[in-house]
This record gives sequence, structure tokens and C-alpha cells, in this order.
Amino acid sequence: DVKVTQSSRYLVKRTGEKVFLECVQDMDHENMFWYRQDPGLGLRLIYFSYDVKMKEKGDIPEGYSVSREKKERFSLILESASTNQTSMYLCASSSRQTNQPQHFGDGTRLSIL
Amino acid sequence: DAKTTQPPSMDCAEGRAANLPCNHSTISGNEYVYWYRQIHSQGPQYIIHGLKNNETNEMASLIITEDRKSSTLILPHATLRDTAVYYCIVRASQGGKLIFGQGTELSVKP
Repeated sequence: DVKVTQSSRYLVKRTGEKVFLECVQDMDHENMFWYRQDPGLGLRLIYFSYDVKMKEKGDIPEGYSVSREKKERFSLILESASTNQTSMYLCASSSRQTNQPQHFGDGTRLSIL
Repeated sequence: DAKTTQPPSMDCAEGRAANLPCNHSTISGNEYVYWYRQIHSQGPQYIIHGLKNNETNEMASLIITEDRKSSTLILPHATLRDTAVYYCIVRASQGGKLIFGQGTELSVKP
């Protein structure tokens, strides 16, 4: 089975802090994604990556950056956390084969105080 | 991606089959039907996908009509742990962002 592991289920940080969210997948997937999910707004794509050291902006990249130094790991960075970044963050991965599904981690519920 | 329509909510008795419908009348020839579910406070879970043939795996069965304009996800023996929001997504590939609609909130009752 595909396993996508996010480093924390719950995280509390303070405004202005630099925050790192880590995601690791064990299926040798080329594609990795970071979404946030908020009530009434559904899933919104922040960044994605099709390969090591590659990154593409999604719909809401402002205030975030990403790092993909190894194929299995995709990190999301909040450069200077703000209260409007309080959210559920979801990592997903998928194979490069076009019809293969995305598989998600359990999510990190991040609160910025 | 083709638009999908699902009922907002459904109930099912524990142990009975849950049949969740999805309409996708504008589906294109190269678009697949994917089903995911999300249990409260967890990440979305992939269930099954298909192009035009019926599919079955350890979790569910997917029945796609011959004209491909609608499909049904079947959970053969629903349990309380199947209570979740179920999403039907139609797209040609999974390489880009997923767009989850409102989904169907399935409540499995004892």
C-alpha cells in the first residue's frame, strides 16, 4: 500500500515563526503536492513538484515555499507564519502515469497564534 | 475536468450495501472516474477509479454506465467506519490539482 507520511498531525506555532511541514512517500512517486483545506473553500493547491529539485506554483503560493531535495520528501515552508495560515495542510503523491490516483497523508492541522 | 453532481447526503444501515451515485454527463472519452472519501479530520483516501469497465477492489465496486454519463460506487457491506464524505472526480489525469466538489456525506447507522 502507498504510504504518505506527514511529520505532525497537530502543530501550534506563533506569528512570525518560520514553520516547516514535512512529507515523505514510500512509493517512488514522481509527483508530490501540497494542499490546504479550509471549511467552505475545499482543497486549494499551494505548490507541486514533478521531480527532484523541481517546483511549480499552485493557486495560492503566497507566503509559502517548498523544497524537494530527494524524490521521497517534499517540504512546505511558511516563511513568516501568519494567523490566516491556520489550516489543515495535506500532502499527496502520485505516479507519473497519467491515470494513477493521488494518495494523501493524514494531514497536519496547523494553528498559528 | 468534467463537472460532477452528487447528492449532498445519504443514510445506510450497517451491514447493508451503500450505493453512491454520481452524474458526469459531460465526461470526455479520455477522462477517468475517481472516487475518494474523507473521514472527519483525516486526509482524503483514494478508493477506486475506472474508465469504462466496471471495477472492483478490496474496498468497493465501481459501476459505470455504458454511455459513461453516470457511475455508482458500491460499498457492499457498510460499517460505521465507512461514515465519511465521498467525492466523485472526473479527469483525464492525476498530474495536476484535484478539485473536490461538495461530495456526498454518507452516514452509516447501526
